[in-house]
Amino acid sequence: AQSVTQPDIHITVSEGASLELRCNYSYGATPYLFWYVQSPGQGLQLLLKYFSGDTLVQGIKGFEAEFKRSQSSFNLRKPSVHWSDAAEYFCAVGGSNDYKLSFGAGTTVTVRA
Amino acid sequence: DTAVSQTPKYLVTQMGNDKSIKCEQNLGHDTMYWYKQDSKKFLKIMFSYNNKELIINETVPNRFSPKSPDKAHLNLHINSLELGDSAVYFCASSQDLRGVQPQHFGDGTRLSIL
Repeated sequence: AQSVTQPDIHITVSEGASLELRCNYSYGATPYLFWYVQSPGQGLQLLLKYFSGDTLVQGIKGFEAEFKRSQSSFNLRKPSVHWSDAAEYFCAVGGSNDYKLSFGAGTTVTVRA
Repeated sequence: DTAVSQTPKYLVTQMGNDKSIKCEQNLGHDTMYWYKQDSKKFLKIMFSYNNKELIINETVPNRFSPKSPDKAHLNLHINSLELGDSAVYFCASSQDLRGVQPQHFGDGTRLSIL
């Protein structure tokens, strides 16, 4: 069965600093990978997705993620964080025969001034 | 134009009551989902429907009953509400069944049981 691990429960970063959120997945075939962001009181919004091709994927809001098959990872990065990036971030993997999208437990990002 | 809309946004009710949450999507998607997000933000799939047919039915108490009158709507009815049902419930839709395409989420319904 597929699964996703987000090792960091909570990350605090200064405004303007870089951010990297870790995601490790377990999946038997080529995974379909997603990063979502959930702002307080809101639903989940898709940041980016990876299906195939270029392993560096660009998303919205200045985010990017890199797929590394050898490390079973799909880490999310942003070069310079804005206060509005404070939110919950979820990594997810889909495409399995059980029709489910498996989410990680999420990483809470706090941005300090 | 809201893509996936849920009503109500907030629902406060007493234990033992019956309540419904409605969801509509205008994306033309065939597949719709219900998720439960607990206080630790963990997202758990409850149900999915594809063209009005039940696809996923997770280990959910049978007090929860989804209904899909057409492929643009998926409602969730909950009988005999319990304290443990307090959570945020999200509706989502997708173009495909297998989680290959992204899912689009509503803003959630915050259910509080008194």
